[in-house]
Amino acid sequence: GNSVTQMEGPVTLSEEAFLTINCTYTATGYPSLFWYVQYPGEGLQLLLKATKADDKGSNKGFEATYRKETTSFHLEKGSVQVSDSAVYFCALSPYSGNTPLVFGKGTRLSVIA
Amino acid sequence: GAGVSQTPSNKVTEKGKYVELRCDPISGHTALYWYRQSLGQGPEFLIYFQGTGAADDSGLPNDRFFAVRPEGSVSTLKIQRTERGDSAVYLCASSLTPEVRDSGANVLTFGAGSRLTVL
Repeated sequence: GNSVTQMEGPVTLSEEAFLTINCTYTATGYPSLFWYVQYPGEGLQLLLKATKADDKGSNKGFEATYRKETTSFHLEKGSVQVSDSAVYFCALSPYSGNTPLVFGKGTRLSVIA
Repeated sequence: GAGVSQTPSNKVTEKGKYVELRCDPISGHTALYWYRQSLGQGPEFLIYFQGTGAADDSGLPNDRFFAVRPEGSVSTLKIQRTERGDSAVYLCASSLTPEVRDSGANVLTFGAGSRLTVL
C-alpha cells in the first residue's frame, strides 16, 4: 500500500537555525511528493512538490529533493524564522489512477527568537 | 469563489444527533475531496468526487457517513447518529483534475475546515 512516515515532533529551533524534517514513503509505482504546511488557525497550504525522481521542489527558502533510491523527500531550510512555526505534512499522490493524497502524521515546528 | 469555503467553522452537537458539513469548492474545480483530521494526526481520506459522482468512498469509516455533490459543485458531508469518536476537523479540498501527473494541475487546495465536537 501507500504510506508516508515523517519524523515525530515537536521540533523546537532557534531563529536562523538549520531545519530538516525527515520524510520517507512507501508506494507502488512512481508517486508525486508534496509538503503541505498548516499555520496556526489556517488551512493546509501547499509548500512545495516534486513529480519525479531527482526533482527538487522549493518555495519560501524551503527545499526537498525526491530521492527514489532512499524513498525519501526530506524538507530543509537553511535559516528558519519565527514565522515558519507551523505543522508540516509530507504527502504522496500515487502515479496510477485517481487515488487522493496520502498524508503523514505531521511535524510541529516551533521557532523561538 | 477565491478559495474553498467550509461551513460551519465550528459545530458542537450531542451524541446521537445528525450533522451536515458543507463545502463550496473553487469555481471550476472538478475534483472534490473530504478528509478528517484528528488531533495530532495527518488528514485521513474519506471520499473523493469527480464531478457529481463519488469516484472513491473507500475512506468512509462506516455507513453513518455519507456525502453528496448533486450539481458537481457544492458538497455536503452528512453524519448520522454522531458518536464522540467522530470529533475531529473535517477538511474539504478541491482540484482542477484528479492528480494528473506533470500537468501542473495536481494540487489540492484546502479549506480551513469544520471543527466538529460531539459531546
